[in-house]
Amino acid sequence: SQKIEQNSEALNIQEGKTATLTCNYTNYSPAYLQWYRQDPGRGPVFLLLIRENEKEKRKERLKVTFDTTLKQSLFHITASQPADSATYLCALDFTGGGNKLTFGTGTQLKVEL
Amino acid sequence: DVKVTQSSRYLVKRTGEKVFLECVQDMDHENMFWYRQDPGLGLRLIYFSYDVKMKEKGDIPEGYSVSREKKERFSLILESASTNQTSMYLCASSTGDLGTQYFGPGTRLLVL
Repeated sequence: SQKIEQNSEALNIQEGKTATLTCNYTNYSPAYLQWYRQDPGRGPVFLLLIRENEKEKRKERLKVTFDTTLKQSLFHITASQPADSATYLCALDFTGGGNKLTFGTGTQLKVEL
Repeated sequence: DVKVTQSSRYLVKRTGEKVFLECVQDMDHENMFWYRQDPGLGLRLIYFSYDVKMKEKGDIPEGYSVSREKKERFSLILESASTNQTSMYLCASSTGDLGTQYFGPGTRLLVL
């Protein structure tokens, strides 16, 4: 069955450093992959989408890579700030229909002063 | 801005009660979703709807039903609440081929 794996352990980094989060998936080659941010007690918020034919996508301090051979996406936050502290979820459409996403369990990022 | 609203932020119910959770979106999205989120288990899809009066079971539909009588509104019903349905419930909507989802603020339900 299709599976998404994100590191369940929290990632603690110092302010100003680059945070790198990993999303691995199995048994499927999705056409695109999405990243969301979730703050405690809130719903997830969409950040970025990357298509299978895009190796890299950037938005301000965010960068996402997508390696369909490794079945892996990396999510980078450069010059991290305490306000970046949140849980980051990756999501894939395993159905291919564009209607239904499967979410990873997320990785909690803590940026310390 | 896309707005998805949920009827309650916090709800406390007793075992056996019928519970209605309502979700409204204002962006004319075709697709709407109900998830529950529990620590360590992530987001799990309960039901989704891709059109008015249409619904499909997600990964954990047992103990739940849904209703979509109007495009903008998607209701989740717990016919007889049980303690194992204590959770955070999140509604989302989406449109288009890429399926980017817009979430509501969530309802934290406690069943005693």
